[in-house]
Amino acid sequence: AQKITQTQPGMFVQEKEAVTLDCTYDTSDQSYGLFWYKQPSSGEMIFLIYQGSYDEQNATEGRYSLNFQKARKSANLVISASQLGDSAMYFCAMRVSNTGNQFYFGTGTSLTVIP
Amino acid sequence: DSGVTQTPKHLITATGQRVTLRCSPRSGDLSVYWYQQSLDQGLQFLIQYYNGEERAKGNILERFSAQQFPDLHSELNLSSLELGDSALYFCASSPSTREAFFGQGTRLTVV
Repeated sequence: AQKITQTQPGMFVQEKEAVTLDCTYDTSDQSYGLFWYKQPSSGEMIFLIYQGSYDEQNATEGRYSLNFQKARKSANLVISASQLGDSAMYFCAMRVSNTGNQFYFGTGTSLTVIP
Repeated sequence: DSGVTQTPKHLITATGQRVTLRCSPRSGDLSVYWYQQSLDQGLQFLIQYYNGEERAKGNILERFSAQQFPDLHSELNLSSLELGDSALYFCASSPSTREAFFGQGTRLTVV
């Protein structure tokens, strides 16, 4: 079975500081993708970053980086230099080729950036 | 803007009624996914279409159905609505396995 676990329901970070949002996953498939999405209070789901299971380097997109540790089955999101606009829900998701590429989502982490 | 368009943005309807949610994927994307987001269930996969054909089915109730048309837009039909169907319904389209873009969602309220 495929599962995504986010153990931090809520996180606080000071503006301009870095923050790590935890995500662990479980799958027996060798080919999978890991995603992070941001959901602000407006409700839309914004794609942030992607890491493939065969990618050797950690993914980076601007201030977002994904700390991928395959042996530990973790895919933590690191946001550097936090901004007030980063306050939102963050979802970790996994996509597995053998299940039609549907997404499996974690329960999310609510991030609040403090001025 | 993700390029995925969902209409309507908000919908309020009574129990027992039927509604249709519409999704236009990004230009050229053949895959469309439907998800339901509720407070108690989180984000749940409902169904996937690829180029007009059903590809995968998740936790979709029998009262719900979907289809994808030749122009690749998709519709999710929800019937005999119950209070518990109130949720945010997302459509996503995917150009590849490395990307998937979500629409802004349709917020359904059943009263």
